[in-house]
Amino acid sequence: NAGVTQTPKFRILKIGQSMTLQCTQDMNHNYMYWYRQDPGMGLKLIYYSVGAGITDKGEVPNGYNVSRSTTEDFPLRLELAAPSQTSVYFCASSRTRTGAGYEQYFGPGTRLTVT
Amino acid sequence: AQSVTQLGSHVSVSEGALVLLRCNYSSSVPPYLFWYVQYPNQGLQLLLKYTTGATLVKGINGFEAEFKKSETSFHLTKPSAHMSDAAEYFCAVSPRVEIGSGGSNYKLTFGKGTLLTVNP
Repeated sequence: NAGVTQTPKFRILKIGQSMTLQCTQDMNHNYMYWYRQDPGMGLKLIYYSVGAGITDKGEVPNGYNVSRSTTEDFPLRLELAAPSQTSVYFCASSRTRTGAGYEQYFGPGTRLTVT
Repeated sequence: AQSVTQLGSHVSVSEGALVLLRCNYSSSVPPYLFWYVQYPNQGLQLLLKYTTGATLVKGINGFEAEFKKSETSFHLTKPSAHMSDAAEYFCAVSPRVEIGSGGSNYKLTFGKGTLLTVNP
């Protein structure tokens, strides 16, 4: 199993551009998550999904959108990129709810710079 | 609301020395507890977790952590550091919730991380 894969690994965007970060998992996990990681700040949840067709906001959703049309894929869309969105983005998945003690599995990350 | 505090954003040890990374949580009910490791330019990897049962939990790469309810702590230790242990370590907590508790079912709250450096 590849686990959680993310593309691209690196990207530089100009202010106002848009892009989609791709995330795919092959573990048949129902739950998927998008986080951003900023230096010294830990990870902040952007959006999550509990299954195909169901998504919800996390702590820092502004400026982002998601969709979940299949169990495997959970793309993150940035519209009108801003410098504040410069960060490292991680996708994660879990078999079921973390509230039952299940851990999350993380992808390798996408490093995004907005200039 | 839950919170996680990792004492020390940077810990430096010599190779062969004891590693101690501190994690305290704030929660009215003891949560599920996790330690993740992030090697440079990689994603997070689970080291160990505590859900129930024995309070001393053993993980990968010789790490272990002990859940102490009275101290609301879940400190990570390793008896002898290796150069390969140099990485950032994150403590995380999740509330114990029943199905139907809405958004809390997903929530994993991370500490800000501790960067471990190992000197030769």
